[in-house]
Amino acid sequence: GAVVSQHPSRVICKSGTSVKIECRSLDFQATTMFWYRQFPKQSLMLMATSNEGSKATYEQGVEKDKFLINHASLTLSTLTVTSAHPEDSSFYICSAPEEPSGGERPDTQYFGPGTRLTVL
Amino acid sequence: GEDVEQSLFLSVREGDSSVINCTYTDSSSTYLYWYKQEPGAGLQLLTYIFSNMDMKQDQRLTVLLNKKDKHLSLRIADTQTGDSAIYFCAESYAGNMLTFGGGTRLMVKP
Repeated sequence: GAVVSQHPSRVICKSGTSVKIECRSLDFQATTMFWYRQFPKQSLMLMATSNEGSKATYEQGVEKDKFLINHASLTLSTLTVTSAHPEDSSFYICSAPEEPSGGERPDTQYFGPGTRLTVL
Repeated sequence: GEDVEQSLFLSVREGDSSVINCTYTDSSSTYLYWYKQEPGAGLQLLTYIFSNMDMKQDQRLTVLLNKKDKHLSLRIADTQTGDSAIYFCAESYAGNMLTFGGGTRLMVKP
């Protein structure tokens, strides 16, 4: 089946630095990718929708200048956490839907394995 | 906005059945999903149900949907220790964006 990878799987950084997280669809093209954030013992919150060839769409309350999203190609979206602070520490997960099936089943979402960010 | 709620915790003995419940508010939901998240890992789609269905069975998993009450449940038969994880229900409307519940932590005792 389709696979979505994320890199790195874990990152520890100092406060004030920027961190880039990559999300790749390995054997399919994804014009859209989604970025979620998960706080410890909490659910996933949609942060933004990454669109290939256009600007990302951010959810209310998510700072677009803080969380930069670039959908560089049909298989790669990057999330850059700029000037990271300890409150940005979280588990970040991306997902990519397969192309619309047009049938009576949902478009399958493939989730990446997640990236755990720890900001010291 | 949409709201999806789940109970936080469920503990069962190995071999028993587990029932995880979920309620949602968006009546326009088209699909409802159950995802499994093991410690430190991403999400694994377990099953989904189309909103015009009442029940779906897939091996040990049974999904029941009461659209009138906006209530979704996941039953795991013969629960095993490997089923210990966090289970998220989610809903979507004809598209790809998912709204997740808070997750139910299932603990299976030997």
